[in-house]
Amino acid sequence: EVQLLESGGGLVQPGGSLRLSCAASGFTSSSYAMSWVRQAPGKGLEWVSGISGSGSSTYYAESVKGRFTISRDNSKNTLYLQMNSLRVEDTALYYCAREPLHCSGGTCYSYGMDVWGQGTTVTVFS
Amino acid sequence: SYELTQPPSVSVSPGQTARITCSGDAVPKVYTFWYQQKPGRAPVLVIYRDSERPSGIPERFSGSSSGTTVTLTISGVQAEDEADYYCQSADSSGAYWVFGGGTKLTVL
Repeated sequence: EVQLLESGGGLVQPGGSLRLSCAASGFTSSSYAMSWVRQAPGKGLEWVSGISGSGSSTYYAESVKGRFTISRDNSKNTLYLQMNSLRVEDTALYYCAREPLHCSGGTCYSYGMDVWGQGTTVTVFS
Repeated sequence: SYELTQPPSVSVSPGQTARITCSGDAVPKVYTFWYQQKPGRAPVLVIYRDSERPSGIPERFSGSSSGTTVTLTISGVQAEDEADYYCQSADSSGAYWVFGGGTKLTVL
């Protein structure tokens, strides 16, 4: 069964750090781009960061650029999100999601985020 | 920063057709995706690349695009379709993803 399982969430004070993990099973994660998407309590979805299948390309939302770092260890089928300098507004449920791509002629096209985990909760409190 | 605009809510009676729109300047240039999210659950992809339907998604879900607006259409709405729906697309540079604010579909 294709599955994503997030972990690493918790309570932290502003300025603190957390490292989220997303363990993939049932598929070869290196064949897929991956993203982190968050949802603040009672709010909508917000894309946070993405990474290519090889890990060579990374992308960040402006709201987290310079504070968060996405990475992956394909030998462990695991995606990470290192979150530093956390703010109260980073409080959210953090999802990881799989993103199949079709690449041709140097351009890649997404098939959307087709598999999601159940999320891990990050609470930043002052 | 780039934004996608959705109506906050749409209401329909069972059996009717629901249409949820998503507008953005880059919509004509990049693909759009649609997700369904029920309370306490992770989002589910219901439409990819503007109008393609993933396997396992009922045929009553369809997508279309015209100008700067994409539309998710749910024909013959059922009670189980009541959920929040989000569009997702990229800015014109393709450098980052953006989600719309979400639309709450209520089945009366």
